[in-house]
Amino acid sequence: DSGVTQTPKHLITATGQRVTLRCSPRSGDLSVYWYQQSLDQGLQFLIQYYNGEERAKGNILERFSAQQFPDLHSELNLSSLELGDSALYFCASSSNWGSGQETQYFGPGTRLLVL
Amino acid sequence: GQQLNQSPQSMFIQEGEDVSMNCTSSSIFNTWLWYKQDPGEGPVLLIALYKAGELTSNGRLTAQFGITRKDSFLNISASIPSDVGIYFCAGQLEGGSEKLVFGKGTKLTVNP
Repeated sequence: DSGVTQTPKHLITATGQRVTLRCSPRSGDLSVYWYQQSLDQGLQFLIQYYNGEERAKGNILERFSAQQFPDLHSELNLSSLELGDSALYFCASSSNWGSGQETQYFGPGTRLLVL
Repeated sequence: GQQLNQSPQSMFIQEGEDVSMNCTSSSIFNTWLWYKQDPGEGPVLLIALYKAGELTSNGRLTAQFGITRKDSFLNISASIPSDVGIYFCAGQLEGGSEKLVFGKGTKLTVNP
C-alpha cells in the first residue's frame, strides 16, 4: 500500500458525459501528479500540483482539468468524454518535489470506460 | 519531448533465471526510479537512485545509476513466478522540469 488513495476504482460512463476522479496523497506529501495509461501503453503525464498550485502540464487535453484543494486532495475532471478517453488514470504523490530527488508513489488507479 | 529508451520490450524466461533490463537516453538525469506494475494496478516503486554510479539492491533486485547519468539498469536474480509484470524506468531530467519521464516498460513473463 503506497498510501495514495484514489476513488472510484472503476467508472463506466457514456460519451459526452463529465466525470470527476479523486485522489488523496500520502500523508505529508504536497505534490500530486496525474497520469493517463491507455491499454498496453506507458504512463502519460497529464498535470502536477504542488500545495494547491499548478506546477507542470503535460499532454493534458483542454477537456480535462484538475485542481488541488487546501487539504491537499486533488480532483481530475474529464468532460465531453470520448471513447478514446477510456484508460487507467493514476494519481501519484511526492514529498520531495524540488529537491532534485524526485520520488513518486502511485495510487491504485481509476479505470474509466467510456461507452 | 524527452524520451527514455527501455529495453527489452518483453522477456520470456524460465523460473530461476536472472533478468536484466535497461533504460537509456541522450539526456542527463538526476534521478532514476524503477517501478513494477501488475495488470490493472498502480506502479509500485522498487528502487530509487540519486547518484551517478550508485548501485542499490532491494532483495533479489539490483539497480544502478549509470556513470554517464544517461542510463540505468535493473537486474532480477533467481526469478520467481510473482516477478511477472511490467517494469518501468523513470527519470528526472537535469535542469529540466521536475516531472518524471517514463520508459515504455518491459513486460516480464516467467514460466514455472
